[in-house]
Amino acid sequence: EAGVTQFPSHSVIEKGQTVTLRCDPISGHDNLYWYRRVMGKEIKFLLHFVKESKQDESGMPNNRFLAERTGGTYSTLKVQPAELEDSGVYFCASSQLSASTDTQYFGPGTRLTVL
Amino acid sequence: AQSVTQLDSQVPVFEEAPVELRCNYSSSVSVYLFWYVQYPNQGLQLLLKYLSGSTLVKGINGFEAEFNKSQTSFHLRKPSVHISDTAEYFCAVRPWDTGFQKLVFGTGTRLLVSP
Repeated sequence: EAGVTQFPSHSVIEKGQTVTLRCDPISGHDNLYWYRRVMGKEIKFLLHFVKESKQDESGMPNNRFLAERTGGTYSTLKVQPAELEDSGVYFCASSQLSASTDTQYFGPGTRLTVL
Repeated sequence: AQSVTQLDSQVPVFEEAPVELRCNYSSSVSVYLFWYVQYPNQGLQLLLKYLSGSTLVKGINGFEAEFNKSQTSFHLRKPSVHISDTAEYFCAVRPWDTGFQKLVFGTGTRLLVSP
C-alpha cells in the first residue's frame, strides 16, 4: 500500500511568487491534515479536511494560504504571494475516518524556500 | 491551549548505551500522547502512542514510553541504542477539544548515536 506522497519535495521561489504544494493521501483515508515546520521551531497544525470539507482551519496563518481538496482525494496548498516567513517544511498527513484514535500517517514533506 | 516541551534539542549518546528523551506537556483537557520519529530525508513515522490503560507503552524498534499523569510527562526510553536510531524525535499530543484530531508537537530532539 502506498503511503502519503507529496510533490514537489523541494521548491525554491522568490518573494511574491506563487507556489502550489500537492498531497496525495493513503487511498481510502478521509481525514487529511496539513502541518508546517518553520526552521528550528515546532511542527504546527495548519488545517484538517474530512473528505472535501474543511473541518478545522484554525492554524492557517493568513489569507495568502489557500487549501483545497476537490473530490475528497488529493489536496493542494497554494501560497500566493509567498513571503520570506513562509519558508519551511510542509507536511501532509492522512488517517481513516473511523475513530479519533486512528494514527495520522505523514508524508515526507515539501521543503519550501522563499528568497 | 496545549503545549509540549522537549527540553533537550540534541542528545548525543554512544552506541549500546541507554537513552531517555524527555517530554512534558500542558493541557487543561484530556489528551492522547504520541512519539514520532523522522529519519533523514523521510517523513514522520509513529513510534508509539498512549490512549488509555497501562501507562507503560511499548513501540517499534525497542522504544518504550511511560505516561505520568501527575508530572504530565511522557518520556521516551530505549535500553540500548543503535547507530540506526540517529534521527529526530517528536513528542506530540492530540487534545480532546479538537476531537483528538489536531496534533500539537514539541520542538523535537535530535538523537545522535556514535560508535
